[in-house]
Amino acid sequence: AQTVTQSQPEMSVQEAETVTLSCTYDTSESDYYLFWYKQPPSRQMILVIRQEAYKQQNATENRFSVNFQKAAKSFSLKISDSQLGDAAMYFCAYKETSGSRLTFGEGTQLTVNP
Amino acid sequence: ETGVTQTPRHLVMGMTNKKSLKCEQHLGHNAMYWYKQSAKKPLELMFVYSLEERVENNSVPSRFSPECPNSSHLFLHLHTLQPEDSALYLCASSRELTGTQYFGPGTRLLVL
Repeated sequence: AQTVTQSQPEMSVQEAETVTLSCTYDTSESDYYLFWYKQPPSRQMILVIRQEAYKQQNATENRFSVNFQKAAKSFSLKISDSQLGDAAMYFCAYKETSGSRLTFGEGTQLTVNP
Repeated sequence: ETGVTQTPRHLVMGMTNKKSLKCEQHLGHNAMYWYKQSAKKPLELMFVYSLEERVENNSVPSRFSPECPNSSHLFLHLHTLQPEDSALYLCASSRELTGTQYFGPGTRLLVL
């Protein structure tokens, strides 16, 4: 069974600085998707970024980028120029390409200090 | 993000009540999902619907009864719940069964 592990329950960063959130996963599949979702205090789960495993190029969305290391089964999220609105719980998630099931990690609570 | 809406946003119910959660997606998607998010636990997939047919039921107790009358609407009917069922219930949708899932704002449920 696939598992997703986020080893950092909490992280903090100063406003305008850069922070990296870690995620590792376990799978025997070669084709899959990885996601980072953000859940602010409103509890709305918001898609931040998506990576397709067959693509070697790391996905980027404005200030958010990932470091996808397929061999190491690692998928970290880098947030540049952190803003107060980035404060949230961040979830890493895995999905097989041919499946519908999203497997989530336990989340990392990010605090942004002014 | 208003593509997926959920009502009510908050619900308090007794163990003998019957209530329903509603989810509506305005994205033209064909698949819809119910998730349960309890404190200190990862999200748990409950049900999956594709083109109004249930395709997955993850050993969810029968006191939770889903209904998908069309591809835009998904309901979760609740009856004789237990206090441990108190959680955030999230609805999601995707273009097709294997697509990226977009979530609604959730319904925070408290069972007394």
